[in-house]
Amino acid sequence: QQQVKQSPQSLIVQKGGISIINCAYENTAFDYFPWYQQFPGKGPALLIAIRPDVSEKKEGRFTISFNKSAKQFSLHIMDSQPGDSATYFCAARDTGNQFYFGTGTSLTVIP
Amino acid sequence: GAGVSQSPRYKVAKRGQDVALRCDPISGHVSLFWYQQALGQGPEFLTYFQNEAQLDKSGLPSDRFFAERPEGSVSTLKIQRTQQEDSAVYLCASSLVGGLTEAFFGQGTRLTVV
Repeated sequence: QQQVKQSPQSLIVQKGGISIINCAYENTAFDYFPWYQQFPGKGPALLIAIRPDVSEKKEGRFTISFNKSAKQFSLHIMDSQPGDSATYFCAARDTGNQFYFGTGTSLTVIP
Repeated sequence: GAGVSQSPRYKVAKRGQDVALRCDPISGHVSLFWYQQALGQGPEFLTYFQNEAQLDKSGLPSDRFFAERPEGSVSTLKIQRTQQEDSAVYLCASSLVGGLTEAFFGQGTRLTVV
């Protein structure tokens, strides 16, 4: 059973556009929600993270929006650049410090 | 080195063969994690060490999988009698203290069982 559901599976965006990736979860005990960026042949790297007591967190061009009542969170990449082309994973942590990852979104930013 | 190093980068094993995957964490990092990433999927937890102690091995899929970290530094993930469903990228991550929130991932070992 997929603990964290992620969509879309793939995304193509024009340079300068906004990339939006969505995730949903069911376990209300999750207490930490990170996003990872993974380039081909590399391990995932932490991009940005949010805790459920905050509705939004922004770091540069990357923003997480968090809707606790809907149990959904999303990653917004503003002014998307070709260098942002990668696979993005959302994740959630339970009280046992166990992390559950989404299935990933392959983002392609077209110049 | 500066990051988490895994070896080999690629491993092809015949079904039934035993394999050993190595992880060199960042020097001084206490916590070490192993994850399995199937093609087109997100990483799935296998096991977690704090120093040499294996605190959680609930994600190991079968008793053919075994992990150790005898001196609290380098870790080895061993898979006995490999099966085709074991084909995946095996990721190692380490953190100075605490959990995955502060961890850095290695590049992974891509295992293909033929």
